[in-house]
Amino acid sequence: EADIYQTPRYLVIGTGKKITLECSQTMGHDKMYWYQQDPGMELHLIHYSYGVNSTEKGDLSSESTVSRIRTEHFPLTLESARPSHTSQYLCASTPNPDRRAEAFFGQGTRLTVV
Amino acid sequence: KNQVEQSPQSLIILEGKNCTLQCNYTVSPFSNLRWYKQDTGRGPVSLTIMTFSENTKSNGRYTATLDADTKQSSLHITASQLSDSASYICVVSRNSGNTPLVFGKGTRLSVIA
Repeated sequence: EADIYQTPRYLVIGTGKKITLECSQTMGHDKMYWYQQDPGMELHLIHYSYGVNSTEKGDLSSESTVSRIRTEHFPLTLESARPSHTSQYLCASTPNPDRRAEAFFGQGTRLTVV
Repeated sequence: KNQVEQSPQSLIILEGKNCTLQCNYTVSPFSNLRWYKQDTGRGPVSLTIMTFSENTKSNGRYTATLDADTKQSSLHITASQLSDSASYICVVSRNSGNTPLVFGKGTRLSVIA
């Protein structure tokens, strides 16, 4: 059982609202990731972190921001949500180094911006 | 460029039949390769993980193979069940400091009665 949690599971908000998607893991993993995935499509990396106070942008351009103040938490924030942000957001973590380690995924947050 | 290519893009098979999914990668330096199963609307769940020294690994009806020389992997599903309907994603990790995982686009498998 993976100890990585995302909240909320589902979110419907209006355009222009600020939102924060939460991701927490209790495994002490250094590496954490945020992926965006549209229905039936592949995962796109939007942000990652290799430890406290380290964050990097991923392959997919995103208007979101992340922070890593504590090892356990890796929240993702949208300052002003738009309908184009409607998607599923998946958080994952792995230990560092991850030579034989499994990457654990949260259940995802399904975001709908109306 | 570090890439993971999966084929076929989608597959429909009858319940009880076997199938094989393919994964080719150009990721270097290679650390490990993982196969994940993702049910619709859920997060991916790990099926197998293999390093370059491992040629095959089984997990129940799932058997993964790895040829590090040709940079190819396969996932064989035996005696498919309706619950096997999902996306199967190949993920490769680089053995190069702080670099992110490289994901394939996945194979969408549908098992029908």
